[in-house]
Parts: sequence; structure tokens; C-alpha cells
Amino acid sequence: IAGITQAPTSQILAAGRRMTLRCTQDMRHNAMYWYRQDLGLGLRLIHYSNTAGTTGKGEVPDGYSVSRANTDDFPLTLASAVPSQTSVYFCASSEGPNYGYTFGSGTRLTVV
Amino acid sequence: GENVEQHPSTLSVQEGDSAVIKCTYSDSASNYFPWYKQELGKGPQLIIDIRSNVGEKKDQRIAVTLNKTAKHFSLHITETQPEDSAVYFCAASMIGGFKTIFGAGTRLFVKA
Repeated sequence: IAGITQAPTSQILAAGRRMTLRCTQDMRHNAMYWYRQDLGLGLRLIHYSNTAGTTGKGEVPDGYSVSRANTDDFPLTLASAVPSQTSVYFCASSEGPNYGYTFGSGTRLTVV
Repeated sequence: GENVEQHPSTLSVQEGDSAVIKCTYSDSASNYFPWYKQELGKGPQLIIDIRSNVGEKKDQRIAVTLNKTAKHFSLHITETQPEDSAVYFCAASMIGGFKTIFGAGTRLFVKA
């Protein structure tokens, strides 16, 4: 089934540790995104990539980094996790700007 | 930057009644307005979208209207069913923009 695969589905992480959230799509979409979802705040854009080899900052990029080495993969890295990064993280993709997104099922991350 | 406000935060309707969710946006350059439905434990799913050259769009029981002058758009669900119960998000993005901004969400309860 075509779509977005995120891993892990959930994780408890000690503060200060490094963590990479994985995201893979099989739709050959050019654009990919990372959002975090917090209660009452909706979905906030962390980073995006409009095509392989390029990335851009969203609304809340601090403490996160991304890379886009190829079309299919868009990992999100927390270099040194802090409790405020406890959230549900969603990866998404689209054909391009101003097209609807396909979302993954999310990664629930708890930083303690 | 763009800001999207969504109301109400919670909406409860009787099965068969209509439900209306309203959003306003701040940036007049926004031209693409998608709506997403998120069921418990899942990622958001695109249900309908509208572009700024169109005032209304329908898809079976759901419709979206756009008022560019007032900078607001609305989701209308008719003949609601219990399976419509979910969190609904509106969003806005600009021409060529990769930064889609989401509203905070509306939790819809449809009572059988």
C-alpha cells in the first residue's frame, strides 16, 4: 500500500540523548515535511524539503535537523533531546507546493 | 507570517444534523486551503481542499466555502454520522509555498 512509513511508533528517550526519527515514502513525491502535534496547538511545521538535496526551516526548527539525501527518505534528528520536545511527530509528503499532504501514522516521543 | 485561527475547538451535534467549522487566515497571499480529518491514533487525512480561484467546492456530504475578501473559509458537513466523529484541521498556504500553516483543530462529536 502506497504511503508514508514512520519509525519508531513510540519512544521514551532520556534527556540529552540523540534520536533520529525515520520517514520513508513510496509515492515519489517531491516535497516532504515534519510536523509536531501538541494538544491545543495543532500541527506546527519543523522542517521541510521541496526536493531531494534541499531543506528549509519551518515554524519551530530549533533543536531539530533534517537531511534529504534521496527522494524517498527524510529523517528528523534531535541532537540533544529536551523534555519540551515531548510530542507526536508526523512526517508528510506532497507532489509539490499547494497540494494536499499524505501523512504517516506518527511517532509518539516522550523525553524524560 | 501566516496565522490560521479555527473555531469552535469542540463541536457536538446530533446524528443527521449539520456541522460547520470556521477558519480565518491572516495573509492575503494564501491561495490554497485544505481540510484534514484525524481519527484517534492516526495521522491526518486530506478530505477536501479549495483554491483561491474557487468560492465553493462539494464532495458528497462535505463542502468548503471561501471568502477571500473576509479571509475566511468554512467546512460544512451535512447529514452527520457517528463515523464523522474526529478532529478536523483547516490549513492555509501561499502560492508556491511549502509552509502550510494549520489551525488548532476542532473536535467533532456526532451523537447517535
